[in-house]
Amino acid sequence: KAGVTQTPRYLIKTRGQQVTLSCSPISGHRSVSWYQQTPGQGLQFLFEYFSETQRNKGNFPGRFSGRQFSNSRSEMNVSTLELGDSALYLCASSLDRDVEQFFGPGTRLTVL
Amino acid sequence: AQSVSQHNHHVILSEAASLELGCNYSYGGTVNLFWYVQYPGQHLQLLLKYFSGDPLVKGIKGFEAEFIKSKFSFNLRKPSVQWSDTAEYFCAVSPSYSSASKIIFGSGTRLSIRP
Repeated sequence: KAGVTQTPRYLIKTRGQQVTLSCSPISGHRSVSWYQQTPGQGLQFLFEYFSETQRNKGNFPGRFSGRQFSNSRSEMNVSTLELGDSALYLCASSLDRDVEQFFGPGTRLTVL
Repeated sequence: AQSVSQHNHHVILSEAASLELGCNYSYGGTVNLFWYVQYPGQHLQLLLKYFSGDPLVKGIKGFEAEFIKSKFSFNLRKPSVQWSDTAEYFCAVSPSYSSASKIIFGSGTRLSIRP
């Protein structure tokens, strides 16, 4: 069974730009969660999507948004990038209401 | 609100030494508990989990963890570490019967093993 895949793996952007990250969950998983990982803050929850609906949202500004498609693939968008948005963005998928999550390799975003 | 504390930020051990990484959580109800590992350059993987039952949980690669409810702790142990155990370890907790997004991660403990 293929694991969670994320594209691209690396991104370099400049302040003010926007970026879109993509996540393909494990086949059959309908829940997709996004996390921001930084050395100082650890893993922080961004949001969770289930059946194309945002089910939960973390404490991040509105510049961070996401969506989920009918095939459960998810995208995350960050607008008006700031230097502090530099991080590893992780996607995790799970079965319906199952808290065991499977993580992708992440997208390393660098904002210059 | 729930929280997770991992008090050791960086642990350095020699090969064959015993390992114990501390994890304490704060939450008033019943919980699910996890340890994840992130090897250098690799993605997060589940080491072990506790949902209910026997508080001593065995995971992959010889790791185990003990849930002590009275101490709100879920410490990770391994009797004899190897160089390949060099990684970052994350403890995580979620309320029982909740969705995946309710999981809260600790800040992580970096484990370095001297060959």
